[in-house]
Amino acid sequence: GAVVSQHPSRVICKSGTSVKIECRSLDFQATTMFWYRQFPKQSLMLMATSNEGSKATYEQGVEKDKFLINHASLTLSTLTVTSAHPEDSSFYICSARGTGEGQPQHFGDGTRLSIL
Amino acid sequence: GESVGLHLPTLSVQEGDNSIINCAYSNSASDYFIWYKQESGKGPQFIIDIRSNMDKRQGQRVTVLLNKTVKHLSLQIAATQPGDSAVYFCAENGEYSSASKIIFGSGTRLSIRP
Repeated sequence: GAVVSQHPSRVICKSGTSVKIECRSLDFQATTMFWYRQFPKQSLMLMATSNEGSKATYEQGVEKDKFLINHASLTLSTLTVTSAHPEDSSFYICSARGTGEGQPQHFGDGTRLSIL
Repeated sequence: GESVGLHLPTLSVQEGDNSIINCAYSNSASDYFIWYKQESGKGPQFIIDIRSNMDKRQGQRVTVLLNKTVKHLSLQIAATQPGDSAVYFCAENGEYSSASKIIFGSGTRLSIRP
């Protein structure tokens, strides 16, 4: 079945570091990918919609200069958390849906980001 | 704004019994609904979906019911097993298209008693 892969699965780094997270659709092409953030015991909150070949669409309250999204191909989207601080520590999850109607959205297994 | 919420944050069920997880949504224009299961440390896993032109849809051991009149959605799991322990989210997709975004509810944690 369709698989979405995220890398890395976990990252721990110092405050001020920029961290890049990759999201790949392994066996299908995804024109659109989505990035979510999930704090402990909370739901998934959509951060942005990543569109292949164009700029991402950010949800209200999400800083586009803080969370850089690049969707350079139909199988890869990246999220870069720039100058990360402890409050950016969270579980980041991406999802992708194949093109065409009726395609379910598949989620990656998330990236646990911890900023010291 | 749009919101999808759940009636109960936790649910404890005896192994072998049926589980019913409820969800309310506020956007009457919602066209498509999905139930996800999330195990600890993992991403959400698709369980079952339903479009607004349907009232009921069945899968393997799961059934989703949609009541558009009261904007209520439920997930029924038959013969609940230990492997069903997880957090369950209902989600709403405003448009049934590949580009539209999914809004998640707050989640219900399902625990199974032996």
